[in-house]
Amino acid sequence: NAGVTQTPKFQVLKTGQSMTLQCAQDMNHEYMSWYRQDPGMGLRLIHYSVGAGITDQGEVPNGYNVSRSTTEDFPLRLLSAAPSQTSVYFCASNPRGVLLLNEQFFGPGTRLTVL
Amino acid sequence: AQKVTQAQTEISVVEKEDVTLDCVYETRDTTYYLFWYKQPPSGELVFLIRRNSFDEQNEISGRYSWNFQKSTSSFNFTITASQVVDSAVYFCALSEPSILTGGGNKLTFGTGTQLKVEL
Repeated sequence: NAGVTQTPKFQVLKTGQSMTLQCAQDMNHEYMSWYRQDPGMGLRLIHYSVGAGITDQGEVPNGYNVSRSTTEDFPLRLLSAAPSQTSVYFCASNPRGVLLLNEQFFGPGTRLTVL
Repeated sequence: AQKVTQAQTEISVVEKEDVTLDCVYETRDTTYYLFWYKQPPSGELVFLIRRNSFDEQNEISGRYSWNFQKSTSSFNFTITASQVVDSAVYFCALSEPSILTGGGNKLTFGTGTQLKVEL
């Protein structure tokens, strides 16, 4: 298994450009999430999904869109990039569990710079 | 709302010293889960431990140990005989699973503690 993969690893955008950060997992996990990591702020949840066709907002959703058409993929779209979106983005997945919440498996991250 | 506080921004120790990383959390739920993750300089997030709210037993794994105290809402992490390879940022996180979804995937992270272990 490749686990959780993210592409690209690095990206530089100009203000106003749009792009999609890709995330895929091959573990058949129902849950997937996107976080952003900023210095001194830890990781913050952007959007999450509990299954194909179901998504919801996290703590910092503004400026980002997501969709979940398949179990494997959970792309994050930046509609009009802003310097405030300069960050490291992590995608995570975990299986559904009723009594035992399994760990989240994190991808390697995408470092995004918006000029 | 849930909140995780890691008051120690940065800790420096000399190799072989013991070090404790503090984590204090806030939640209104009676069922919740606590996690510790390690982020080495390479940047990936490495899962260390998961603990649920109805299991207050302390856990030891090699040089790592965790002290969970519901009475003080704390979930502290101790590294015994620290090594240079322990240098990393350590994150404590909290999740409140949803009854509807059967399990959560919404982690609330603390701001992290940068641990530097020097020779």
